[in-house]
Amino acid sequence: GAVVSQHPSWVICKSGTSVKIECRSLDFQATTMFWYRQFPKQSLMLMATSNEGSKATYEQGVEKDKFLINHASLTLSTLTVTSAHPEDSSFYICSPSSTNSYEQYFGPGTRLTVT
Amino acid sequence: QKEVEQDPGPLSVPEGAIVSLNCTYSNSAFQYFMWYRQYSRKGPELLMYTYSSGNKEDGRFTAQVDKSSKYISLFIRDSQPSDSATYLCAMSVTQGGSEKLVFGKGTKLTVNP
Repeated sequence: GAVVSQHPSWVICKSGTSVKIECRSLDFQATTMFWYRQFPKQSLMLMATSNEGSKATYEQGVEKDKFLINHASLTLSTLTVTSAHPEDSSFYICSPSSTNSYEQYFGPGTRLTVT
Repeated sequence: QKEVEQDPGPLSVPEGAIVSLNCTYSNSAFQYFMWYRQYSRKGPELLMYTYSSGNKEDGRFTAQVDKSSKYISLFIRDSQPSDSATYLCAMSVTQGGSEKLVFGKGTKLTVNP
């Protein structure tokens, strides 16, 4: 499978601060990047989809001004959680895709804890 | 009714048992059907994918799709303690010009030595 990295793997931040999560596809070019969120004992919920060089498309209920996504290159995408609150504490997972959706691989995830 | 239904378990079996994991779905537009394995605090790992009704085998794993019943299964033969993880079914659909995955809640499996 594809090699995907995320950084940081775990972050604790104070309420009101911003956190940036990086996702890199190390061995293929990701034309599309999916960002998911997973709460404890829940499934993955798609937050947004971005194509390289374009603005992200957000799912219903996801605030685009709060979750800033940048997909400036085919190997790097970032998700910035702005003005984080405790309810934003979750496991954030990126998923780069190059062609068909069944070849969608996932990063190792970033655990965000907002205190 | 949710688009994808999956019993969250937990499911506990002895080593060597045959495990059956299932999902049902309601959207006839789903095209591809995947199974992912997720270890605790890790990202999902793609196990298998299929797009047509029938069986697909890969080692100890068999994926089964029945489109007429909107039902998919994953069978694990000779289960091992290392198979202990959460198994997520996922289905893809074209929406708004892009492919999207819809996930089940996941079934937590424990294989006891």
